[in-house]
Amino acid sequence: DQQVKQNSPSLSVQEGRISILNCDYTNSMFDYFLWYKKYPAEGPTFLISISSIKDKNEDGRFTVFLNKSAKHLSLHIVPSQPGDSAVYFCAASDPGGGADGLTFGKGTHLIIQP
Amino acid sequence: NAGVTQTPKFQVLKTGQSMTLQCAQDMNHEYMSWYRQDPGMGLRLIHYSVGAGITDQGEVPNGYNVSRSTTEDFPLRLLSAAPSQTSVYFCASSRKWGETQYFGPGTRLLVL
Repeated sequence: DQQVKQNSPSLSVQEGRISILNCDYTNSMFDYFLWYKKYPAEGPTFLISISSIKDKNEDGRFTVFLNKSAKHLSLHIVPSQPGDSAVYFCAASDPGGGADGLTFGKGTHLIIQP
Repeated sequence: NAGVTQTPKFQVLKTGQSMTLQCAQDMNHEYMSWYRQDPGMGLRLIHYSVGAGITDQGEVPNGYNVSRSTTEDFPLRLLSAAPSQTSVYFCASSRKWGETQYFGPGTRLLVL
């Protein structure tokens, strides 16, 4: 049973436009959420995170929104750049549920078109 | 500060062989973990450790062993390699469990 779901395996966006990547979760005990970016043949790199006490966190071109009632978070990238083409993983943590780390979604492959 | 390092980058094994994937971090992180990434499956947790001398199983532990004799190192051992273990393996660490994890560059393993 997938606790973190990224329902779009891929997303194509024109350069300069906004990219919106979505993530849904089922475990109401998750209280810390992260986005990772992964290029081919490299390890995932941390991008941005949000705690459940917030509904928005911004870092430059990247903003993460959290809707706890809907158990939904999204990553907005604006404006999108060619270097943003990568696989993006959503991850969640339940610190009270044990030390078994992060639960990851399956990823969304973002393609920025020139 | 090298962060999280992994060796080797690529390895080919025959079914039944054993090997150890190395992972080290120089950030004095308490928490370390191993994931495997398979196409369409995302990242799945194999084993983790909350500190030296303490390890536990994750989602997919079968066929793998770990130990944590020092804070810095967290090797992953394949006891008898199987084709189903063909995957990309990532090691990660964080200051404490539940916090942001930082990943190594990965080891690509092919089991024939």
